[in-house]
Amino acid sequence: KAGVTQTPRYLIKTRGQQVTLSCSPISGHRSVSWYQQTPGQGLQFLFEYFSETQRNKGNFPGRFSGRQFSNSRSEMNVSTLELGDSALYLCASSLGASGGHEQYFGPGTRLTVT
Amino acid sequence: QKEVEQNSGPLSVPEGAIASLNCTYSDRGSQSFFWYRQYSGKSPELIMFIYSNGDKEDGRFTAQLNKASQYVSLLIRDSQPSDSATYLCAVRNSGNTPLVFGKGTRLSVIA
Repeated sequence: KAGVTQTPRYLIKTRGQQVTLSCSPISGHRSVSWYQQTPGQGLQFLFEYFSETQRNKGNFPGRFSGRQFSNSRSEMNVSTLELGDSALYLCASSLGASGGHEQYFGPGTRLTVT
Repeated sequence: QKEVEQNSGPLSVPEGAIASLNCTYSDRGSQSFFWYRQYSGKSPELIMFIYSNGDKEDGRFTAQLNKASQYVSLLIRDSQPSDSATYLCAVRNSGNTPLVFGKGTRLSVIA
């Protein structure tokens, strides 16, 4: 079974631009979570989607948004990029949104904002 | 604020020894506990999960959970240099709440 895929793997953007990242979960998984990882802050939760509905949202500004499609694929968007948005963005999928379901991570998208 | 605490390390152990990684959590309602391994420049990889008090073994890995004391640990037997990585502890409540991650412990296995 194929794992979680994320595109693109690397991205360089300029301050003020916007970016869209994509995540395809493991086949059969309906829950997708997004995280931001930086050396100083570790893994920070962005949001979680299940069946096209946002179930949880982390403490990030409104510039960060996401959505999930009927095939469980998910996208996240960051508008008006700031230098501090440079990070590894990770997507993880699991079978369902309730507690106890293991999350599997994709390879991540490394975003650099200049 | 629900927190998961880990010693950042580095934890250095000789090859063949047992590595012991610890994690404490603040939310008494936590029900699911996970250990991830992350190599430098790579994404986290799930290596163990445990839901009940006690020990769970999988190959060289043993996860130990003590809900009364609010800690979970990971033992790695016969440590190998390839085990050198950052180990992330993650905890989830029984409700529709997100995983909360610790900042990880860096393990270095010395040949």
